[in-house]
Amino acid sequence: QKEVEQNSGPLSVPEGAIASLNCTYSDRGSQSFFWYRQYSGKSPELIMSIYSNGDKEDGRFTAQLNKASQYVSLLIRDSQPSDSATYLCAVNEDMRFGAGTRLTVKP
Amino acid sequence: EAGVVQSPRYKIIEKKQPVAFWCNPISGHNTLYWYLQNLGQGPELLIRYENEEAVDDSQLPKDRFSAERLKGVDSTLKIQPAELGDSAVYLCASSLPPSDTQYFGPGTRLTVL
Repeated sequence: QKEVEQNSGPLSVPEGAIASLNCTYSDRGSQSFFWYRQYSGKSPELIMSIYSNGDKEDGRFTAQLNKASQYVSLLIRDSQPSDSATYLCAVNEDMRFGAGTRLTVKP
Repeated sequence: EAGVVQSPRYKIIEKKQPVAFWCNPISGHNTLYWYLQNLGQGPELLIRYENEEAVDDSQLPKDRFSAERLKGVDSTLKIQPAELGDSAVYLCASSLPPSDTQYFGPGTRLTVL
């Protein structure tokens, strides 16, 4: 059974802090990795995709991929209350999503 | 550009009744996905279409669930008969290869009483 695991949370950070979200996957051959954000009662929306080892930055968001460790993370800098949501990690070859980590950013 | 459209947005039925969900993907997107999402969980793939062909339906409970994508555009997901455990949000998503970025519709929230 191919698995995508996320730290269960909930994760609470103060406004302006860095939020760190983690995800591990079991299929060593996976090549495509995605982070989605899901507000309560809404559908998932794509934040970032990453395919190569290393860091990928987009504004306040940085995705980090380490295929050797089968680990992908998402860092949110200068966290804002509007970042409060559930963050889903997805491995696309299997269309598998983790259970999500709920993030709360406190003003 | 219009996003993925799903209907109905909400459905309440009694157990053993049939129910159907409809999805219209983003124009030109030939890959379509149906997911089920339970509260507090990530989406679980039910079926994936490439045009009108179901290329991955391994997670679709075929005894009660069926899906079709006639003409490779709109798709319908059906449950017959519905069970209490089918209460969930049913999400449709689409993508356009070679990109594997999925765009999700608003979902249909099903409640089975």
